[in-house]
Amino acid sequence: EAGVTQFPSHSVIEKGQTVTLRCDPISGHDNLYWYRRVMGKEIKFLLHFVKESKQDESGMPNNRFLAERTGGTYSTLKVQPAELEDSGVYFCASSQDLAINEQFFGPGTRLTVL
Amino acid sequence: KNEVEQSPQNLTAQEGEFITINCSYSVGISALHWLQQHPGGGIVSLFMLSSGKKKHGRLIATINIQEKHSSLHITASHPRDSAVYICAVSNTDKLIFGTGTRLQVFP
Repeated sequence: EAGVTQFPSHSVIEKGQTVTLRCDPISGHDNLYWYRRVMGKEIKFLLHFVKESKQDESGMPNNRFLAERTGGTYSTLKVQPAELEDSGVYFCASSQDLAINEQFFGPGTRLTVL
Repeated sequence: KNEVEQSPQNLTAQEGEFITINCSYSVGISALHWLQQHPGGGIVSLFMLSSGKKKHGRLIATINIQEKHSSLHITASHPRDSAVYICAVSNTDKLIFGTGTRLQVFP
């Protein structure tokens, strides 16, 4: 069974540009999470989808970030326009059962904003 | 102050040593997770526990719910154990993470 995949693995963009990150969860996992680690800090929660609905988006830093999960399968996280402080590693995770909530992580996308 | 605190932040050991990493938390949790991240690698779940103790190979994780404290132990450490070990707690639907402990085991 394929694990959680993320694309791209690394993105370098200039301040003001737009970047879209993609996450493909494990097939059948209704719960999809986005997390972010910025340099030197702990990983922080961004948002949680249950199927195609946003269950909790309390961690989204501002309205430059837009997450979607059309059809309840893969998800995209768009940053527009990107700022320097958006640099970091963006992780996606999925889980099957919220009651147990064992989350499986993707390899992450390293975003560098110059 | 972070809701999940880990210590130490960095740890160096000689091969064969017994290693302990500690995690304290200040929020209500449904479970505590120990995760591992190798340099340049993804995050792998080692343990998920809500009480007592779990063992997998040379790794042992314990949790004391009353004291809001967990420990991860590595017995007979090996250079391939070198990684960042992250403690995270399940709080409602999301995970809250500690800053991680960077472990280096030298031959």
